[in-house]
This record gives sequence, structure tokens and C-alpha cells, in this order.
Amino acid sequence: GDSVTQMEGPVTLSEEAFLTINCTYTATGYPSLFWYVQYPGEGLQLLLKATKADDKGSNKGFEATYRKETTSFHLEKGSVQVSDSAVYFCARPLGAGTALIFGKGTTLSVSS
Amino acid sequence: DAMVIQNPRYQVTQFGKPVTLSCSQTLNHNVMYWYQQKSSQAPKLLFHYYDKDFNNEADTPDNFQSRRPNTSFCFLDIRSPGLGDAAMYLCATSRDRWGGADTQYFGPGTRLTVL
Repeated sequence: GDSVTQMEGPVTLSEEAFLTINCTYTATGYPSLFWYVQYPGEGLQLLLKATKADDKGSNKGFEATYRKETTSFHLEKGSVQVSDSAVYFCARPLGAGTALIFGKGTTLSVSS
Repeated sequence: DAMVIQNPRYQVTQFGKPVTLSCSQTLNHNVMYWYQQKSSQAPKLLFHYYDKDFNNEADTPDNFQSRRPNTSFCFLDIRSPGLGDAAMYLCATSRDRWGGADTQYFGPGTRLTVL
């Protein structure tokens, strides 16, 4: 069935380090893919999305490229900041609808 | 600002005592969702409404019910909360139900504690 697999955390980095959080999906066809971020004590916010193969989503210095060959949507940022400390969720639609299934989430902690 | 609002932010209830969580939206979106997020886990869809059409997930316990009296409001009712129902409950909206590319907009969540 539909699923999303995300690398386990926590990820601990120093400020200005390079970030990669891996995400792979199973699907029939080419679903839209999303990264959501959850800051402490808050709900989820859309970080970026890609709606078709080879699309690159980007926002706030984060990027992710939809790669159908490897069924992946890895999140990257060239230089993380302390304010990026949060939990990051990879997600895809459930079937053909808009309800989402999420990966387990990756906690990022950035220290100065 | 258009947004998704959840009340209360924190709710404490007793084992077996019914509780209702509230969600409202000013986005005028057709679809409203309820997700349950237990500690350090991914959000899990409980059910959603497309307009007045209610869609329950197969593994959502009967203990959980929902009401949507109008476009703006949606309620989550837990008839007899157990200790295992302690979680963050997230409400979300999207404009449409199909297509998969629609962004979901989440409220800040209600953290439910069951004593």
C-alpha cells in the first residue's frame, strides 16, 4: 500500500552545517510529495512540495527534488540555523485524495 | 488573517468522561480533517469531511465521532476517553478532496490529557 519512509532521528547539527533528511515513498503512479515542519508546541506547516516527477520544491533555503527513479524526496539545506530546530515530516496523499500519510518524522536540533 | 483555529489548546479530561474538541476555519475550504498525533509519532488520519460528506478511516475506533454543522466548524467528540487516547489532535483543511496536490493547512492542535 501507500507509504512513506523517513530516516530516523534525531539529527544534531551545528549552525551552518549541511542538512539532508532522507525520504522514500511507495506508490502506484506519481503522487504529489510534501515536506511539513512542526515547531515545538505548534501544528504542522507546509515547508515545500512537488507535484510531479523531477520537480524541485524550495522554501526558506530548503530544497527537495522529486526523483521517480529512486522514489525519493530528500530534504536538503546548505546552511542550517538554530531557528530550523523542529520536527520534519515527509508526506504523500493517501490514494487519490488529499488526506495525507506521513513519515515518522525527523527531529532536527541545531546548536550555535 | 485566514487560518485554522483550534480550541482549547490544552484539554484535560478524566478517564471515561466525554470530551469535545473544536476546530474552525476562515479559509472557506471544502475539506476538514482530524488527525491524531501521539508522542513522537506521525499524525494519523482519523476522518475527514468533504462538505457534509463524512469519511471515516477503517481503523478509527468507534469511540471517536465528528460533527460538521457548517463550513466553518468541525468538532471531534471522544465518547469515553481512555488513557491511550492522550495525544495531540490536529485539525486541517484543504480546498479540495481529490487530486492530491492540494496543500493542507493545519491548526495548532489540541493536546489532550486523560487522567
